[in-house]
Amino acid sequence: AQSVTQLDSQVPVFEEAPVELRCNYSSSVSVYLFWYVQYPNQGLQLLLKYLSGSTLVKGINGFEAEFNKSQTSFHLRKPSVHISDTAEYFCAVSRGTNAGKSTFGDGTTLTVKP
Amino acid sequence: GAGVSQTPSNKVTEKGKYVELRCDPISGHTALYWYRQSLGQGPEFLIYFQGTGAADDSGLPNDRFFAVRPEGSVSTLKIQRTERGDSAVYLCASSSSSGANVLTFGAGSRLTVL
Repeated sequence: AQSVTQLDSQVPVFEEAPVELRCNYSSSVSVYLFWYVQYPNQGLQLLLKYLSGSTLVKGINGFEAEFNKSQTSFHLRKPSVHISDTAEYFCAVSRGTNAGKSTFGDGTTLTVKP
Repeated sequence: GAGVSQTPSNKVTEKGKYVELRCDPISGHTALYWYRQSLGQGPEFLIYFQGTGAADDSGLPNDRFFAVRPEGSVSTLKIQRTERGDSAVYLCASSSSSGANVLTFGAGSRLTVL
C-alpha cells in the first residue's frame, strides 16, 4: 500500500515571497508523483507530474517540484507567489500499473497575502 | 466535450434515499475514475472503468455504492439508502489510457445527506 503525507495543512505567505509545500510518500514499488491545485468551487487541475527521468519537474504557473527517492519526497516550490496562487494543493502518488488510481494527501491550503 | 462534466453540481437528499450522480467524460477517453472527497481531506479512490467494465472497484466503501458505464462513455454512480456519512464531493476523472496519462477531473457533485 502507498500513502502520502503533506506536512503542512496551511501555509500563509506574502505576495512575491518564495514558497515550498512539502510532500512525503511511502511505497514499496516505483511510483508516479503528481501535484494538483484546486481553486474554490473548481475541479482539480494538474500542476505537474513526475513519471521518470529528470528529478526536477517544471509545471504550469511557475511551479516546480523535485523528486527525491532517498528521502521519498516530492516538494513543490515557487520562487515568487501571486495572490492568484491562493488555493488548495494536493500531492498524489500512483503505481505505474494504473497511473490514474492515485492516493492523495489531505492537502495544503496556500494563502497568499498582499 | 471539452471537459469532464458532472451533474448535478449539488444534491441535497434525506437519509435513506437513493441518489444517482452522472459523469460525462472527455470524448474518446477510455478510462474513467470516481473519487470521493470528504471535508478537509484529499480525494479517495472509489472505482475505475476501462471501457464498459469496472476494472477496479476496490475503493467502494460498501454494497450501497454501485457504478455503471454501459456504453463506455457516460458513467453513473449510484448510492442506495444514503447515510449522513455519505456527504462529500464526488469527483469524476477521465484519461485516455490506464498508463501514464494523467487525469482530467470534473468540478464534482456535492452530496449532502440530511
